[in-house]
Amino acid sequence: QKEVEQNSGPLSVPEGAIASLNCTYSDRGSQSFFWYRQYSGKSPELIMSIYSNGDKEDGRFTAQLNKASQYVSLLIRDSQPSDSATYLCAVNGPGNTGKLIFGQGTTLQVKP
Amino acid sequence: NAGVMQNPRHLVRRRGQEARLRCSPVKGHSHVYWYRQLPEEGLKFMVYLQKENIIDESGMPKERFSAEFPKEGPSILRIQQVVRGDSAAYFCASSRLVDQPQHFGDGTRLSIL
Repeated sequence: QKEVEQNSGPLSVPEGAIASLNCTYSDRGSQSFFWYRQYSGKSPELIMSIYSNGDKEDGRFTAQLNKASQYVSLLIRDSQPSDSATYLCAVNGPGNTGKLIFGQGTTLQVKP
Repeated sequence: NAGVMQNPRHLVRRRGQEARLRCSPVKGHSHVYWYRQLPEEGLKFMVYLQKENIIDESGMPKERFSAEFPKEGPSILRIQQVVRGDSAAYFCASSRLVDQPQHFGDGTRLSIL
């Protein structure tokens, strides 16, 4: 079992729709969770961080965390073609040493 | 405010040479992390450093790779006797505190001829 798992996609949604990206993790002790966006050939860009169960909203983005189910998701409302990118889920590693463990990423395509 | 600065952006080396990658963290950040992204693969943790200390090097290959973050100056990732398999994008990130979000630099694309 991979430590952080994401569906690689591609996930294709029409412009204006809601895109839902999912991630599961294996370490029950993880306390910090992050979503990064990476355009092709570019560096990861922080989108959201979430530390406690529930929802956290920032503009068109909502992160959801369920520690009991070891599940974290990212919703993108009113998806735009510029949202087309790879979305990386990252979880802090065992012992909260600062090490981030990344999923393989989900490629999102927003079609005009 | 300047973000994480990495240089060079692109580095070409021949097999057997040394590669030195530099990273200056965001001002005020004392935690530095190095990650490697191989073609068509995910980001993999390499090493976590604070000033003058290596905190976690569990992701570093046992040979040829070393990292430092001196009291003055940038963090350096050093790869000795490079091989073709070292070709990758190397990203540096920094954070103000260990459990806060990490911000990434633009990366160094290393190509081995």
